Amino acid sequence: GQNIDQPTEMTATEGAIVQINCTYQTSGFNGLFWYQQHAGEAPTFLSYNVLDGLEEKGRFSSFLSRSKGYSYLLLKELQMKDSASYLCAVRDSNYQLIWGAGTKLIIKP
Amino acid sequence: GAVVSQHPSWVICKSGTSVKIECRSLDFQATTMFWYRQFPKQSLMLMATSNEGSKATYEQGVEKDKFLINHASLTLSTLTVTSAHPEDSSFYICSASPPQGSSPLHFGNGTRLTVT
Repeated sequence: GQNIDQPTEMTATEGAIVQINCTYQTSGFNGLFWYQQHAGEAPTFLSYNVLDGLEEKGRFSSFLSRSKGYSYLLLKELQMKDSASYLCAVRDSNYQLIWGAGTKLIIKP
Repeated sequence: GAVVSQHPSWVICKSGTSVKIECRSLDFQATTMFWYRQFPKQSLMLMATSNEGSKATYEQGVEKDKFLINHASLTLSTLTVTSAHPEDSSFYICSASPPQGSSPLHFGNGTRLTVT
């Protein structure tokens, strides 16, 4: 079956760096997405990886290794507003999006 | 960037009534839209895939007669929760993506449904 794993919850300190990992096993691969979701709100798109390597977007970076079925989202210079859930999603060979359960990130002062 | 609009943002209704939620793609045409449901502290759950001009595809366990989906145009899909019950209270979110293969899924702001 298809499966995406990410940690349930992580805690980090304001100003620090945190890495949220995502591993996947899917039927084919057509890209991996990271979304941010604040409590009570809809998800917002953060990043997209389809080739191996690192994609950087300001304080956020996302890495992909297709051979390992692995990605991570790196958040730098953490701010309190970064407290949210971070969702990893993979588009399979049928262009269906398979969602991870999300990682709740708690930022402490 | 691509924008998806969802209306209403929240609705409170009495048990047994029906509620319609609209999802519009504002600056692109969406042949396919997706309807998700999310219960508190849980992940997104895909309910159904809405296809323009044809019947929706429902995920296992989702009652098609209870959650009516209509995708009559390339920019509008509607979800009607019929004969709502308190257990239908949830956060309903629609999404769509432009046709380019690398385009991400964009979400509407969601509709919080409370059935009393």
